[in-house]
Amino acid sequence: NAGVIQTPRHKVTGKGQEATLWCEPISGHSAVFWYRQTIVQGLEFLTYFRNQAPIDDSGMPKERFSAQMPNQSHSTLKIQSTQPQDSAVYLCASSLDGYEQYFGPGTRLTVL
Amino acid sequence: GDSVTQKQGQVTLSEDDFLFINCTYSTTTYPTLLWYVQYPGQGPQLLLKVTTANNKGISRGFEATYDKGTTSFHLQKASVQESDSAVYFCALSGTQVVGQLTFGSGTRLQVYA
Repeated sequence: NAGVIQTPRHKVTGKGQEATLWCEPISGHSAVFWYRQTIVQGLEFLTYFRNQAPIDDSGMPKERFSAQMPNQSHSTLKIQSTQPQDSAVYLCASSLDGYEQYFGPGTRLTVL
Repeated sequence: GDSVTQKQGQVTLSEDDFLFINCTYSTTTYPTLLWYVQYPGQGPQLLLKVTTANNKGISRGFEATYDKGTTSFHLQKASVQESDSAVYFCALSGTQVVGQLTFGSGTRLQVYA
């Protein structure tokens, strides 16, 4: 079991560029979550899929952020027109039951 | 909405000391409470889960106990090791939307040999 895989591990973008982050959940897990981690805000929930369907995106900034899960083996988080305040570690987690969530190593996004 | 408060920002101990980290929570329903540990460069790892049914969880020498009366749950370990140095987060499962976790702000544990 490879655990949750996230790519890339590090991404540097210029202000205004687009960033796409990838997540491969643990095989057999039906729920996928995205979180953002910063020193100031801590761990913040962004969005959640179950069986590939979007369930809750209440934590997603309404502009520029979008998430998809086109198949059961991967999910993407896309940030358009990145801004310096988007710099953070973006974490993906997967779960069988929604309670015990297993996190990937994260993608560190740096917006210059 | 749900909230979790973790007031201890940093704890410094020597090996074999006793560890106690406390969290308080606020929710309108019966929660599932979790403890995660995060090492540098890694995502949070699930350490323990506690529900209203079992009130207590034990894993890797750590014990978590839940007190509904004071809406608190704490993490303890009888004898810490240098390898336990990490950041510990308490979390509350989404009671309004199943699955969403609400995290505390984290406690950085530094253990010196």
